[in-house]
Amino acid sequence: GENVEQHPSTLSVQEGDSAVIKCTYSDSASNYFPWYKQELGKGPQLIIDIRSNVGEKKDQRIAVTLNKTAKHFSLHITETQPEDSAVYFCAAKDTGRRALTFGSGTRLQVQP
Amino acid sequence: DAGVIQSPRHEVTEMGQEVTLRCKPISGHNSLFWYRQTMMRGLELLIYFNNNVPIDDSGMPEDRFSAKMPNASFSTLKIQPSEPRDSAVYFCASSAAAEAFFGQGTRLTVV
Repeated sequence: GENVEQHPSTLSVQEGDSAVIKCTYSDSASNYFPWYKQELGKGPQLIIDIRSNVGEKKDQRIAVTLNKTAKHFSLHITETQPEDSAVYFCAAKDTGRRALTFGSGTRLQVQP
Repeated sequence: DAGVIQSPRHEVTEMGQEVTLRCKPISGHNSLFWYRQTMMRGLELLIYFNNNVPIDDSGMPEDRFSAKMPNASFSTLKIQPSEPRDSAVYFCASSAAAEAFFGQGTRLTVV
């Protein structure tokens, strides 16, 4: 089955700096890669996703890149703000399987 | 839409008791997922349904766990008998296509 590795497990940045979280996946059939943000006491919230026919996608301060050859995808957050502090999860799945396989999560702390 | 609704939000029970967690998916979504979140194992899939039919239950830890989806708007996850190692946050999610939307979760504590 699919295996998703996520790094780093914790990340601390100064407000205004950029943050990058990286994931690798094992199943070459995976073609959908979402990112979720989880705040304390809440469920994971989808913030951005990318499909395998696209190399990069941006949404305001958030961007995701995908390298299918290397089986890598990354989340980039620019101009970080304290409200970006949360746990971020990457995930992957293929069309044959409805369920997502999640990475282990990255705790991002943005220092004011 | 109110999103995925789970109940209860918190549950504290004694070892050996039966626990039932409930989920109402987003209207129109045809897939429903149950995940468990712990510090040690992260977010792990327990079971998922497509059009109310269980498709993959390979993540269900053991026979003490069971899940049902009697109709498109309701699902339950039951643990009988519960054990302290079942303590975790249980999430329900639903989807109509690729995107999955999560509920707020049920924090289960078994003492």
